[in-house]
Amino acid sequence: AQKVTQAQTEISVVEKEDVTLDCVYETRDTTYYLFWYKQPPSGELVFLIRRNSFDEQNEISGRYSWNFQKSTSSFNFTITASQVVDSAVYFCALSRDRGSTLGRLYFGRGTQLTVWP
Amino acid sequence: SQTIHQWPATLVQPVGSPLSLECTVEGTSNPNLYWYRQAAGRGLQLLFYSVGIGQISSEVPQNLSASRPQDRQFILSSKKLLLSDSGFYLCAWSVRSVQRTGELFFGEGSRLTVL
Repeated sequence: AQKVTQAQTEISVVEKEDVTLDCVYETRDTTYYLFWYKQPPSGELVFLIRRNSFDEQNEISGRYSWNFQKSTSSFNFTITASQVVDSAVYFCALSRDRGSTLGRLYFGRGTQLTVWP
Repeated sequence: SQTIHQWPATLVQPVGSPLSLECTVEGTSNPNLYWYRQAAGRGLQLLFYSVGIGQISSEVPQNLSASRPQDRQFILSSKKLLLSDSGFYLCAWSVRSVQRTGELFFGEGSRLTVL
């Protein structure tokens, strides 16, 4: 069975602080995808990143960076110099559908990030 | 550009009443469609997905059903709501592409409260 654990339920930081959101996953599959989605107060989830299980290279996109480590089954997300607009619920997710056009995602419970001015 | 709309945005229904949530995608054709539910304090749970008109797959046994009468229309229904059906329901679509597997585009959500 697939399982995604986000142990941090809520995190509060002050603007300009760096913050890391943890994600640990469980799967018996050798090929899979990992994802991060952002859910702002408006409610609709926004896709941030997809990672292939064969690609452990870290990725950076502006103030966002992701650290994928298969050895610890973790896919952590760091926001550098956080801003108030980063306040949202962040979800980590896993998909087994590699090689398929179907994208069934298994989500963690999410981490509520609040960035104070 | 592609857009996804779902309605109603908010719904308060008594136990035992029927339910119909509708989702429509515009600007694309032949998408994969999904219904997720987000219960309070929990992550999102996949309820149904569809790869084509009339083709519905259920991920979990439940009181709900889904239908896809048209290519870009996805409907979530129930004949008799239970208290446990309360939650935030999200419709999503994805491009039918291996290169974009799992990249879902979500609607604004429908908040259902069953009393």
